[in-house]
Amino acid sequence: DSGVTQTPKHLITATGQRVTLRCSPRSGDLSVYWYQQSLDQGLQFLIQYYNGEERAKGNILERFSAQQFPDLHSELNLSSLELGDSALYFCASSVDPGPSSGNTIYFGEGSWLTVV
Amino acid sequence: AQSVAQPEDQVNVAEGNPLTVKCTYSVSGNPYLFWYVQYPNRGLQFLLKYITGDNLVKGSYGFEAEFNKSQTSFHLKKPSALVSDSALYFCAVRDTDSWGKLQFGAGTQVVVTP
Repeated sequence: DSGVTQTPKHLITATGQRVTLRCSPRSGDLSVYWYQQSLDQGLQFLIQYYNGEERAKGNILERFSAQQFPDLHSELNLSSLELGDSALYFCASSVDPGPSSGNTIYFGEGSWLTVV
Repeated sequence: AQSVAQPEDQVNVAEGNPLTVKCTYSVSGNPYLFWYVQYPNRGLQFLLKYITGDNLVKGSYGFEAEFNKSQTSFHLKKPSALVSDSALYFCAVRDTDSWGKLQFGAGTQVVVTP
């Protein structure tokens, strides 16, 4: 158990709908990352937050948004869902996100999203 | 920008034989390299990392990795593979251009046969 908690584990929804994925980081970790894993794209970095502020953005669609709350949990909002959004969404956390940091980034079990 | 490459989509090995999963990297500056494993329908589990120091890094489940600066490689190894080692393995490098996100390789599927 990495200590990173993600809910829900599985989610099936229809095209055009909106879903929210939730992540609780490891105790003491201030940085949260979101990744998308799909068969054709592999592991893609979406977005990173540190202590409530956005720090880095990857290939995140405009239909997607995220935030980190004062209690450090994070939510990834996916809207106007399309079939191609079906993927495994990972949340990860670390203590120090700095570019010269050797701290390990720990991943949750992921949220399986199926869009039908 | 940093990147890693895993040249093999799949590695097949018989149980009890040595296992090697290859990874090469491209970085500007000092590389921070990681290996993760993903078992079926599970999340990514951290195996080991190289930050600095000894070129041979020991990690979880009997795995180790050898950092080779001249060959820009960070191959994952296990002296004697188990059937339970069958999984998807990812090499990753810490991004030094921004706030330290991980850049992953495409992954290597390891199949260990009895």
